[in-house]
Amino acid sequence: AQSVTQPDIHITVSEGASLELRCNYSYGATPYLFWYVQSPGQGLQLLLKYFSGDTLVQGIKGFEAEFKRSQSSFNLRKPSVHWSDAAEYFCAVEGNKLVFGAGTILRVKS
Amino acid sequence: ETGVTQSPTHLIKTRGQQVTLRCSSQSGHNTVSWYQQALGQGPQFIFQYYREEENGRGNFPPRFSGLQFPNYSSELNVNALELDDSALYLCASSFPTGGEQISYEQYFGPGTRLTVT
Repeated sequence: AQSVTQPDIHITVSEGASLELRCNYSYGATPYLFWYVQSPGQGLQLLLKYFSGDTLVQGIKGFEAEFKRSQSSFNLRKPSVHWSDAAEYFCAVEGNKLVFGAGTILRVKS
Repeated sequence: ETGVTQSPTHLIKTRGQQVTLRCSSQSGHNTVSWYQQALGQGPQFIFQYYREEENGRGNFPPRFSGLQFPNYSSELNVNALELDDSALYLCASSFPTGGEQISYEQYFGPGTRLTVT
């Protein structure tokens, strides 16, 4: 069965600092991987996706993620965080259904 | 292009009652998925509808049921509500890109917040 682990429940970074959110997945075949962001009271917005090909994928809002098959990881990164990035971030894997991790809440301090 | 819309925004029901939540998919999308997001958790897949047929179901009891209409809008029905059904219910629409794997970009609505008392 598919599963996703986001080891960090909360992360706090200073504005302008770099960010890395961790995601590990479990899936028998080649996964389709996603990162979504959710602001309070809002639905989910897709940041980026990996289907195949280049293992470094670029997304919206300056985010990128790298797929590492050997580590079963798909970590999300951003070189310089803005206060508006404060939100909850979900990693998800899709085999025959979309399975989400528990999320990481990002706090940005000025 | 209209995005995914859901109604109502908020709903309060009593244990044992029944509820219907509605979702209008994004224009051109023929697949709708429903998710339950309990407080502090990630969304959990309830089921998916593709061209008016159920096309996959998560670990939810039969009292969770759904419909998809010819215009691809959808309803989620929950019977015999329990306190644990309190959650944000998210609808997502998508258009299959082909292949055996059901993988497409899913576009989420803002959700319906259901509170069961």
